[in-house]
Amino acid sequence: AQSVTQLDSQVPVFEEAPVELRCNYSSSVSVYLFWYVQYPNQGLQLLLKYLSGSTLVKGINGFEAEFNKSQTSFHLRKPSVHISDTAEYFCAVSEGSNYKLTFGKGTLLTVNP
Amino acid sequence: DVKVTQSSRYLVKRTGEKVFLECVQDMDHENMFWYRQDPGLGLRLIYFSYDVKMKEKGDIPEGYSVSREKKERFSLILESASTNQTSMYLCAILGGANTEAFFGQGTRLTVV
Repeated sequence: AQSVTQLDSQVPVFEEAPVELRCNYSSSVSVYLFWYVQYPNQGLQLLLKYLSGSTLVKGINGFEAEFNKSQTSFHLRKPSVHISDTAEYFCAVSEGSNYKLTFGKGTLLTVNP
Repeated sequence: DVKVTQSSRYLVKRTGEKVFLECVQDMDHENMFWYRQDPGLGLRLIYFSYDVKMKEKGDIPEGYSVSREKKERFSLILESASTNQTSMYLCAILGGANTEAFFGQGTRLTVV
């Protein structure tokens, strides 16, 4: 059965610093990988997705993620964060012919001035 | 614009009541999902459906059932509501591997 582990529940950083949010998954079959963002009191928005091909995926708002099959990881990175990036970030995995979509517990990114 | 509409934004129900949460989509997508979102626990999958009348249990199906009689509508049923089912419920649709999931606005259910 698939599972998604987000290794950090909270990540505080200063503005303009780089950030990495970590995500590991377990699955016995090929998967599709996603990162979603949820701003305070808002719905979920897709940041980026990996389906196949290049392991480095670029998304919106300057975020990117790298798929590492051997380490079963899909870490999210941004070289320089802004206050407006403060939000909760969710890693998600879809597997199987029925595309079961499973989410991690989320990482709260807080960007401080 | 994709529309995933959940029937209620806020709902207050009494313990023991049977509760119906409705989700309707206008995208003709096969896959529909019900999650609950709780602080610190992320989104936990309750049930999902990959076709009309087809359903699979997610990670926390206990105390819930679902119904999908038509492609556009996916209902979550709380057979006998309990206070530990107080939560934000999110419906999502997915059109296969090459699409993103789209979410409804959520239903905040309080069971008293």
